Amino acid sequence: SYVLTQPPSVSVAPGKTARITCGENNLGGKSVHWYQQKPGQAPVLVIYYDSDRPSGIPERFSGSNSGNTATLTISRVEAEDEADYYCQVWDSSSHHPGVFGGGTKLAVL
Amino acid sequence: EVQLVESGGGLVQPGGSLRLSCAASGFTFSRFWMHWVRQAPGKGLVWVSRINTDGSSTNYADSVKGRITISRDNAKNTLHLQMNSVRAEDTAVYFCARADPGGSAPMDYWGQGALVIVSS
Repeated sequence: SYVLTQPPSVSVAPGKTARITCGENNLGGKSVHWYQQKPGQAPVLVIYYDSDRPSGIPERFSGSNSGNTATLTISRVEAEDEADYYCQVWDSSSHHPGVFGGGTKLAVL
Repeated sequence: EVQLVESGGGLVQPGGSLRLSCAASGFTFSRFWMHWVRQAPGKGLVWVSRINTDGSSTNYADSVKGRITISRDNAKNTLHLQMNSVRAEDTAVYFCARADPGGSAPMDYWGQGALVIVSS
C-alpha cells in the first residue's frame, strides 16, 4: 500500500515561492489531491488530479506530479497561506484505499 | 450552498459505542460518495471509511475494520458512522466529506468535524 512522505515543515518569506513535496514510488502514476488546513478548521481542497485548481482557490496555487514526487507550489506566498498541507491518493488496489501524507506545516516568516 | 454538518460526538468510555451523523444539504446527496476522515489531537488526517452512492459498497481503514460501520440514508440526506468497542486511539475529530463517484475523486467539501473523546 502507498505511504506518502511529506517534509514536516517548510518555511518561506512572504512574496517568495513555497514548494511542498509528496513522495512515493511511482506516484506519477496516481492522481494526487492536496488539502490545506488552518488551525481549528476543516481541510480545504486546493489542488486536485495533480494540477487542477478548484474555483475560489488563488492562481498562486499549482501542482505537478511526475516520477516519484508530487509537488504543491505556492507562488507569491502570503501570510494567509500559513497552514498545514496534506497530499492524498486513492489506492484502488488496496482494501484500505484512502491514503494521506503526514502533512507539512507551512510557516510564513 | 453545500453544507455538511456532523453531530453525535462526545465523551465515551473505552469499549463503548457512539454514532456520528453528517447532515448534508445544498446538493443531491444520493449522487455522491461519502467519506469519514479523522484527526487525532495534534496529528494528521487519516482516512477512515467510504460508502458509495447507494450504500452497496463500503471500505474501511485497517485500524477500524470490524468496529466501525458506515451507512447512509439517502431519503434523509444523512451519513452515519457507528463506532463500537471504541479505544483511546479513536479519540479524534471526525470529518465527513463528499466526493464524486468513482475511486479517484477528491474530497471537495468537508464538514467542520465532530470531536470524539474516548476516556474513562
